[in-house]
Amino acid sequence: GDSVTQMEGPVTLSEEAFLTINCTYTATGYPSLFWYVQYPGEGLQLLLKATKADDKGSNKGFEATYRKETTSFHLEKGSVQVSDSAVYFCALSDQVSEKLVFGKGTKLTVNP
Amino acid sequence: KAGVTQTPRYLIKTRGQQVTLSCSPISGHRSVSWYQQTPGQGLQFLFEYFSETQRNKGNFPGRFSGRQFSNSRSEMNVSTLELGDSALYLCASRENYGYTFGSGTRLTVV
Repeated sequence: GDSVTQMEGPVTLSEEAFLTINCTYTATGYPSLFWYVQYPGEGLQLLLKATKADDKGSNKGFEATYRKETTSFHLEKGSVQVSDSAVYFCALSDQVSEKLVFGKGTKLTVNP
Repeated sequence: KAGVTQTPRYLIKTRGQQVTLSCSPISGHRSVSWYQQTPGQGLQFLFEYFSETQRNKGNFPGRFSGRQFSNSRSEMNVSTLELGDSALYLCASRENYGYTFGSGTRLTVV
C-alpha cells in the first residue's frame, strides 16, 4: 500500500538556521503531496501542497517540490524562527480513495 | 467561514464504556474524515463519509463506527473502550484536495 517516510527527529536548530526535513513516498499512480504542521495541543494545519510532478508548494517561507523521479517532497525553509517550533507531517493523498496517508512526523525545536 | 468544530475537546472514559465524538465540517463541505493519532502508531485513517454514506474505511475493529447526518455533521462512536483507544481523534472536512482539520478530541481511557 501507499506509504510516507520522513526523517525522524527531533530536530533542533538555532534561529535563522536553514531547515530541511526529508520526505519520500511510495504510491501507485500520481498522488497529491502535503505538508501539515501541528502546534502543541492543536490539530493539523495545512502548510503547503503540490498536486503534480514538478509543482512547488510554498507558504510562510516554507517550500517543497514534488519530485516524481526521486519520489520525494522535502520541506525547506531558509531561515527558521522560534515560532516555527512544531511537529511537521508529510502526507500523500491516495489517488483512488483520496484518504491521507501520513509520515510519522518530525518534531522541530528552534532556539533563540 | 467557520472552521471544523470538534466536541468535546477532552474526554475521560472508563474501560468498557462507549463514547461518541462529534464533528461539524466547514459549511458546504460534504466530506468528513476521521483520523486517530497516537504516539506509537502516528496518524491513522479511520473512515470517510460523503453525503451521509461511508465511502472509505481504515483498518480498525468494528468497535469503531461513524455516521453522517443530512447537514454533514458527523459522529464517531467507539464501543467497549480499551486502554489502547486513548488518542487524539481528528476530524477533517474536505473539498477539492483541501483538507481542513479540527482541533481534535483528546480521549483518555482509564
